[in-house]
Amino acid sequence: KAGVTQTPRYLIKTRGQQVTLSCSPISGHRSVSWYQQTPGQGLQFLFEYFSETQRNKGNFPGRFSGRQFSNSRSEMNVSTLELGDSALYLCASSLARGDSPLHFGNGTRLTVT
Amino acid sequence: QQQVKQSPQSLIVQKGGISIINCAYENTAFDYFPWYQQFPGKGPALLIAIRPDVSEKKEGRFTISFNKSAKQFSLHIMDSQPGDSATYFCAASRMEYGNKLVFGAGTILRVKS
Repeated sequence: KAGVTQTPRYLIKTRGQQVTLSCSPISGHRSVSWYQQTPGQGLQFLFEYFSETQRNKGNFPGRFSGRQFSNSRSEMNVSTLELGDSALYLCASSLARGDSPLHFGNGTRLTVT
Repeated sequence: QQQVKQSPQSLIVQKGGISIINCAYENTAFDYFPWYQQFPGKGPALLIAIRPDVSEKKEGRFTISFNKSAKQFSLHIMDSQPGDSATYFCAASRMEYGNKLVFGAGTILRVKS
């Protein structure tokens, strides 16, 4: 079974631009969550989608948004990029919500210059 | 209230030794406690998880010990191997909040051969 696929793997953007990251979950998984990983703040929850609905949101500004499609694939968007948005963005999928194991992709490394 | 404190930051263990990583949490509403292992360039992978109604859970060389009254839980890696060298993260969540995990800061483990 294919794992969680994130594209692109690397991205370089300029301050003020916007970016869209893509995530394809494991087949059959309906929950997709997004996390930001930085050396300073560690792993932080961004949001979770289940059945195309945002179920939970972390403590991030409104510039961070996401969506989930009917095939469970998900995208996250960051508008008006800031230098501090440079991070590894991780997508994770699971069969269900709660204590269902989270399967992480290898992330998209975003660098904002 | 949402913090999970992890220690130590880094750990060096001889091959065959026991690696111990500790975590403490504040929110007594947390009811799911997973541990993740992350190798460079990869996303975190679930190692083992526990719920607060159990004091210990063992899977192969990995054991979680859970102390509900002290609000602490720990990961023990028995017979540590060089291949176990990675970053380990504890996490906690409320299952009713889905996959919104609060992660510890991580422990970099190096197993010397």
